Amino acid sequence: DGGITQSPKYLFRKEGQNVTLSCEQNLNHDAMYWYRQDPGQGLRLIYYSQIVNDFQKGDIAEGYSVSREKKESFPLTVTSAQKNPTAFYLCASSIYQPGQSYEQYFGPGTRLTVT
Amino acid sequence: AQSVTQLGSHVSVSEGALVLLRCNYSSSVPPYLFWYVQYPNQGLQLLLKYTTGATLVKGINGFEAEFKKSETSFHLTKPSAHMSDAAEYFCAFGEGGGGADGLTFGKGTHLIIQP
Repeated sequence: DGGITQSPKYLFRKEGQNVTLSCEQNLNHDAMYWYRQDPGQGLRLIYYSQIVNDFQKGDIAEGYSVSREKKESFPLTVTSAQKNPTAFYLCASSIYQPGQSYEQYFGPGTRLTVT
Repeated sequence: AQSVTQLGSHVSVSEGALVLLRCNYSSSVPPYLFWYVQYPNQGLQLLLKYTTGATLVKGINGFEAEFKKSETSFHLTKPSAHMSDAAEYFCAFGEGGGGADGLTFGKGTHLIIQP
């Protein structure tokens, strides 16, 4: 079955530690996205990538970093510089075609708790 | 700047009653519009989308939405609510040519179904 996997489902870290969230897709999609979800805030875009070895900052990129070495993978690192990292993190992917907007397919999410 | 407004953070309806979830957008270019549903601690699932063409869009689980350019609205409806419809619903849009850079989401509406 094609889809997006995120691991782990729940993640706990101490303040000051960097943590990397995994996102893998087998949909053969070019574009991948990371969103952060907080209660009552909707989803906010952290980073996105439209092709391998290239990525762009979203609306709230500060304190986060990404890499896109393979088409299938788009890991997100939450650094110690992120002031409020506790949140639900969602990865998504979509077809990419300039000038078009396609629906995004979402993974099941990772709930990160930093204490 | 583009934005999405969902009226009502919580909507409560009786089982069998009409469901109406409101979404208004602000954009300087024709938008691509989406409705997603999220069940607790899960990712988002696409309900329906509007890109171009017919303004009344039918989606999964009996939901539909109508794009009204003059009102900048894309309200979601379902004639008869079912208990399984209880979830969080998000309206989102991508600007044509810019949607590939990520979607802009509303803050969500929590749908409560009363027995």
